[in-house]
Amino acid sequence: AQSVTQLGSHVSVSEGALVLLRCNYSSSVPPYLFWYVQYPNQGLQLLLKYTTGATLVKGINGFEAEFKKSETSFHLTKPSAHMSDAAEYFCAVRTNTGNQFYFGTGTSLTVIP
Amino acid sequence: DSGVTQTPKHLITATGQRVTLRCSPRSGDLSVYWYQQSLDQGLQFLIQYYNGEERAKGNILERFSAQQFPDLHSELNLSSLELGDSALYFCASSVGSGQGSGEQYFGPGTRLTVT
Repeated sequence: AQSVTQLGSHVSVSEGALVLLRCNYSSSVPPYLFWYVQYPNQGLQLLLKYTTGATLVKGINGFEAEFKKSETSFHLTKPSAHMSDAAEYFCAVRTNTGNQFYFGTGTSLTVIP
Repeated sequence: DSGVTQTPKHLITATGQRVTLRCSPRSGDLSVYWYQQSLDQGLQFLIQYYNGEERAKGNILERFSAQQFPDLHSELNLSSLELGDSALYFCASSVGSGQGSGEQYFGPGTRLTVT
């Protein structure tokens, strides 16, 4: 079975500081990994995804994530937080043999001016 | 704009009632997924349809049902509504049957309030 764990349901950073949102997954087969962002009163929007190949994946709005198989992690980072980054972030996993997405419980990011 | 549309945007109804939520996938997408998002349960996968057929089932209650029509739009029917059914209901679509690396594109959601 697949599952996703997002450590920290709430993260606060100062504007201009590093953003680090943690995601660990469990999967018995190679996974596809995704990060989605949800702004208030909106649907989920894809930030980035890892499929195969390069383990460092760049997404929209300056975000990137690194797939670390040995640590079963896919943490999301951004070097410098902007006020507009305040949102809910979801990590998701799907295997190459299944068609269901498994979402984490989400991390709410607050950016302090 | 993801290209996925959902109607209505808001719905307020009473306990015991039945409602229908509608979703139109992105042009060319054959799969539709339904999710329920509540404060205490997070984002829960309900059901997937691919080209008119049920493909995967998640935590969907027996009071809930869905279908996908020949024009590929989908409807989620919620009956005998309870207060606990109040939530955001999202529809998502993808090109294929769901296998592989393709992502899902989410609609803006329908906020259901049961009073």
